[in-house]
Amino acid sequence: NAGVTQTPKFRILKIGQSMTLQCTQDMNHNYMYWYRQDPGMGLKLIYYSVGAGITDKGEVPNGYNVSRSTTEDFPLRLELAAPSQTSVYFCASRAADTQYFGPGTRLTVL
Amino acid sequence: GNSVTQMEGPVTLSEEAFLTINCTYTATGYPSLFWYVQYPGEGLQLLLKATKADDKGSNKGFEATYRKETTSFHLEKGSVQVSDSAVYFCALSDRQGAQKLVFGQGTRLTINP
Repeated sequence: NAGVTQTPKFRILKIGQSMTLQCTQDMNHNYMYWYRQDPGMGLKLIYYSVGAGITDKGEVPNGYNVSRSTTEDFPLRLELAAPSQTSVYFCASRAADTQYFGPGTRLTVL
Repeated sequence: GNSVTQMEGPVTLSEEAFLTINCTYTATGYPSLFWYVQYPGEGLQLLLKATKADDKGSNKGFEATYRKETTSFHLEKGSVQVSDSAVYFCALSDRQGAQKLVFGQGTRLTINP
């Protein structure tokens, strides 16, 4: 049981490039979430999903897109990377009222 | 909207000292309250939670009581260890629906031997 896994661990992008952050969970949880954590700040919700095929915006969705074709996977897409998207990105899944977090992806946009 | 305010950090203590990290919240309705901990280089882990007024969450020697009258959920531990060094986040969520978490800014705790 691996829990929530994220790839890659680190990535450096140039302004305007695109990339997909991968997130997979093996706990068969319906709810999944993407957060970003800026230095010295708490986490902010980007997007979430209540099940396969259903996604919705969180607090800071601009510049991102998501899809949820399976229960296990919830990828986050950055289309035109900007320096403001430099952050650590965490994926989480939920059972009952507890969210389980992945180890994070540290993204730098230069 | 909902919000969480945490005690400013960083906090540095000696081993075996008493710890308090203050957390207050603003919310409509009756949220669930959480403390998450982030060890260096890792994701967040749930430390403890409370889902209704006067509930006390506890884990690994840490405690927090849901105080509706003061809208607070302060984290306490009687005797900290070096291994408690981490960043601590207070958070809340609605008890129904998507239960999206709203986090405080985090408090970095360092325990010196």
